[in-house]
Amino acid sequence: AQKVTQVQTEISVVEKEDVTLDCVYETRDTTYYLFWYKQPPSGELVFLIRRNSFDEQNEISGRYSWNFQKSTSSFNFTITASQVVDSAVYFCAPSNTDKLIFGTGTRLQVFP
Amino acid sequence: SQTIHQWPATLVQPVGSPLSLECTVEGTSNPNLYWYRQAAGRGLQLLFYSVGIGQISSEVPQNLSASRPQDRQFILSSKKLLLSDSGFYLCAWRLSGTGLGNSPLHFGNGTRLTVT
Repeated sequence: AQKVTQVQTEISVVEKEDVTLDCVYETRDTTYYLFWYKQPPSGELVFLIRRNSFDEQNEISGRYSWNFQKSTSSFNFTITASQVVDSAVYFCAPSNTDKLIFGTGTRLQVFP
Repeated sequence: SQTIHQWPATLVQPVGSPLSLECTVEGTSNPNLYWYRQAAGRGLQLLFYSVGIGQISSEVPQNLSASRPQDRQFILSSKKLLLSDSGFYLCAWRLSGTGLGNSPLHFGNGTRLTVT
């Protein structure tokens, strides 16, 4: 059975702090993809990044970075120097088929 | 470029009334199509997905049904709404033929349904 767990339900930080959101994907599959999505208060879901299970290199895009460790099944997302506009619910979602299953989400609140 | 349209944006319906939510995609052919539901403050639950016209996979037994009458049209329906059907409904598409699931989902803006 496959299971995706977003470790934190809610995180609150003050602007300019760094914050890491943790996602654990338990599966026996060796090949899969992992996605991160952002859902701001307006409700739409925005695709952030896709990584595959063979690529454990960190990826950095501006203030966002992602770290995937296959040995621990963890796919973590770090926001550096957080801003109020980063306030949203963040979802990780694994996929190895036609389906994409979402974690329960981590609500991030960034206070000024 | 591809776009996805979902309507209506908000809907208030009485218990026992029918439901029809429509989603269309432009700019691509034979997409995989999906319906998700998000209850207030909760995660996304996959309801239905379709890999082709007339092909519907149901993920959760419920009061809802889905149909795909055309290649880029996906409809979510109910004959009689329940209070528990309230939520935020999201339609999404992804490229087909990606058996390992490497294509991201692209979402519509969602329909907020309140059943009273």
